[in-house]
Formats: sequence, C-alpha cells, structure tokens
Amino acid sequence: EAQVTQNPRYLITVTGKKLTVTCSQNMNHEYMSWYRQDPGLGLRQIYYSMNVEVTDKGDVPEGYKVSRKEKRNFPLILESPSPNQTSLYFCASSLSVRGGHGYTFGSGTRLTVV
Amino acid sequence: AQSVSQHNHHVILSEAASLELGCNYSYGGTVNLFWYVQYPGQHLQLLLKYFSGDPLVKGIKGFEAEFIKSKFSFNLRKPSVQWSDTAEYFCAVNANTDKLIFGTGTRLQVFP
Repeated sequence: EAQVTQNPRYLITVTGKKLTVTCSQNMNHEYMSWYRQDPGLGLRQIYYSMNVEVTDKGDVPEGYKVSRKEKRNFPLILESPSPNQTSLYFCASSLSVRGGHGYTFGSGTRLTVV
Repeated sequence: AQSVSQHNHHVILSEAASLELGCNYSYGGTVNLFWYVQYPGQHLQLLLKYFSGDPLVKGIKGFEAEFIKSKFSFNLRKPSVQWSDTAEYFCAVNANTDKLIFGTGTRLQVFP
C-alpha cells in the first residue's frame, strides 16, 4: 500500500531534550515536506526537500532541522524543543509539486513539549 | 507573496443542506488548486484538484469545485451534506513554485 509513515503518533517530552520524528514513504517520491498544524493557523511548512541531499526552509524553520540522506526518509529533528513547538506535525510526499500531483500525507505526530 | 484565503472559519449545517466553502488565492499566473479534507483525528486526504482543462472539477464523495480565474477563486460545493462530512477542509494552491500553500481551514459541522 502506497503510504507515508510517521513515528511516533504521540510524543510528550520536556524542554531541551532532543527528539526526532521519523518519516518514510514507499512511493519513490522525490519531494518531501514537513508541516505543522496549529488551530486557526492552518498548515505551515517547516522544511521541504526536492531530492536526496537537497533541503530548503519553509515558512517556519526556526528550531527545526531535517536531513535527506535517502530518498524514502525525511526525519524532522528538534535539537532543543520548546513549549511553542507543541503542535501537530505532518509529513507529506509528492511525485512533483509543480506538476499538480498534490501531497500524500502521513498520519501525523502530536507533540507536546512541557 | 502567494497566499490562500478561506473566509469561512466555521460552518454549521443541517443534513441535506447545500454547502459552499470559499477559497481565494493571490497569484496571477498558472496555478494548481487543491481541496483537502481532514476528518476528526485523521490526516489530510485529497478531495479534488484542478490542474488544467474543465474548470468544474468533480471529486470524491459528491464534492465539486469551480475554478474561476477572473475571481481568483476555487470554491468547494456539495448539493446535500451528510453528517459524515463533518471535518475540516483546506484549500491549497501551487503557483509554479516548489511549495504548496494552504489556507487556514474551514471547520464544517453537520447536524442530523
């Protein structure tokens, strides 16, 4: 089944403790992206990647890191999480954003930073 | 900068009522337009998209949307909603860049 897999689904952590949210897709998509979803603000892009070893900042990249060492994986790293990063995070992949293919989304990771 | 506006933040309807959710974007060139739906506790799923051709696009579950280029709009419609349509709806646009820009979403509640 074609899908984007995120782990974990739920995570509660303390301020300053490094964490990684994994994302993997099995569709051979070149494009991958991370979004955060907050009430009233919709989805805001954190980082995206056009291909292996190519990553770019989205609209809200501060406090986050990503890497794209393999085509299928695009982990999101919070080196020193803070409470304002409490949010619902979605990973997405696409065959081609400019080509009108849209995204396939993962199931989301609800992160709480206390 | 490109932006997407969804003016209806919260819509409440009774079953069988007709639905129209507004979506406007700011970009004068070629665009790809999308509507996504997020059911409670779930991830976003594609409802329909406009890439080119017929501006009236039909999607899943009886939804349709009309691209009106002169109005920079891509409104979502359904003639008769059901309780199971209760969800949050997001409009998104790609304007020949490497990003998909989302609106802030419209929460739809349908009561039996």
